[in-house]
Amino acid sequence: GAVVSQHPSRVICKSGTSVKIECRSLDFQATTMFWYRQFPKQSLMLMATSNEGSKATYEQGVEKDKFLINHASLTLSTLTVTSAHPEDSSFYICSASGEYYNQPQHFGDGTRLSIL
Amino acid sequence: GIQVEQSPPDLILQEGANSTLRCNFSDSVNNLQWFHQNPWGQLINLFYIPSGTKQNGRLSATTVATERYSLLYISSSQTTDSGVYFCAVGTDRGSTLGRLYFGRGTQLTVWP
Repeated sequence: GAVVSQHPSRVICKSGTSVKIECRSLDFQATTMFWYRQFPKQSLMLMATSNEGSKATYEQGVEKDKFLINHASLTLSTLTVTSAHPEDSSFYICSASGEYYNQPQHFGDGTRLSIL
Repeated sequence: GIQVEQSPPDLILQEGANSTLRCNFSDSVNNLQWFHQNPWGQLINLFYIPSGTKQNGRLSATTVATERYSLLYISSSQTTDSGVYFCAVGTDRGSTLGRLYFGRGTQLTVWP
């Protein structure tokens, strides 16, 4: 089946550091990629939607200057948490979908970000 | 956006028992997926089931799209079934095509 690879799986870094998370679709072309954030014991909340070659669409309340998203190709999207602070610590998950929206989405394994 | 309600929020079972998880949604959808999130956070895709019935081993799911609900059945539960089960739906309308709306999940604990 379709596979989405997300790296790194875990990051621990100091406050003020910028962290880049990659999301790759390994065996299909991902027209759209989604970035979610999940706090402990809560559900997934959509942060932003990225389409290849265009600017990402951010959900209300998500700082676009804090969470930079790039979708440079049909197989790669990146999320950069700039100048991370402890409150940015969370579990970040990406997903990818193909050309048609009535298809299942495929999720990466997530990145656990801890800011000290 | 679409509201997704899952019930029950918590479920504790003895190994071998059967269970039914429910997902209600507030609008017509063209995508519905059931996921199992394991203790490491990985989302395992169980079913893509915008309508109809599917079975995979001890798991089965039914979506009645006209009545806006889906059910996930787990038979002969095992300790490895423990985790959070999420229902997520998507629609072909709205500003963000393809996005999924997640329910709050059902926390399942299976005791040996």
